[in-house]
Amino acid sequence: DGGITQSPKYLFRKEGQNVTLSCEQNLNHDAMYWYRQDPGQGLRLIYYSQIVNDFQKGDIAEGYSVSREKKESFPLTVTSAQKNPTAFYLCASSTRGLFTGELFFGEGSRLTVL
Amino acid sequence: QKEVEQDPGPLSVPEGAIVSLNCTYSNSAFQYFMWYRQYSRKGPELLMYTYSSGNKEDGRFTAQVDKSSKYISLFIRDSQPSDSATYLCAMSEKGAQKLVFGQGTRLTINP
Repeated sequence: DGGITQSPKYLFRKEGQNVTLSCEQNLNHDAMYWYRQDPGQGLRLIYYSQIVNDFQKGDIAEGYSVSREKKESFPLTVTSAQKNPTAFYLCASSTRGLFTGELFFGEGSRLTVL
Repeated sequence: QKEVEQDPGPLSVPEGAIVSLNCTYSNSAFQYFMWYRQYSRKGPELLMYTYSSGNKEDGRFTAQVDKSSKYISLFIRDSQPSDSATYLCAMSEKGAQKLVFGQGTRLTINP
């Protein structure tokens, strides 16, 4: 079955530690996205990538980093510079070109900073 | 002011009721309008998609877009407990490669 796999589902981190969230897709989509979801704030875009080896900052990129070395993979690193990292993180993908708004989402990773 | 505004609720209605969910927006360049449904602890999934103004119906769901008022709606007829979820509106400009989401409305349908 085609889809997006995020791991881990739950993650706990101590303050000052970096953590990397994995996102893999087998939909053959060119574009991939990372969103952050907080209660009452909807989804906010962290980074997106339209093609391998290229990515752009979204609205809240500070304290995060990404890489896109393979079409299937778009890992997100939450660095110690991110002041409030506890959140639900969602990875998504879409076809490139005429964007019709359909994003395919993974099941999310919930990060808690202790 | 946020680009897209959506009442976060929560909204609780009895089974069988008609539900109305709404979003307002400020960017007149938005042309694609979507509703996503998100069950608890899951990723959102696309429910309805509309291009420009007008209505679109799919089973018990109807999406409406009024660009003159910068207002979109989702109606759910004969609501079921399985419709209990968070509903997120989302919009994009033509040619853009990203969506702007509303805050999401948490909906509960009581049996």
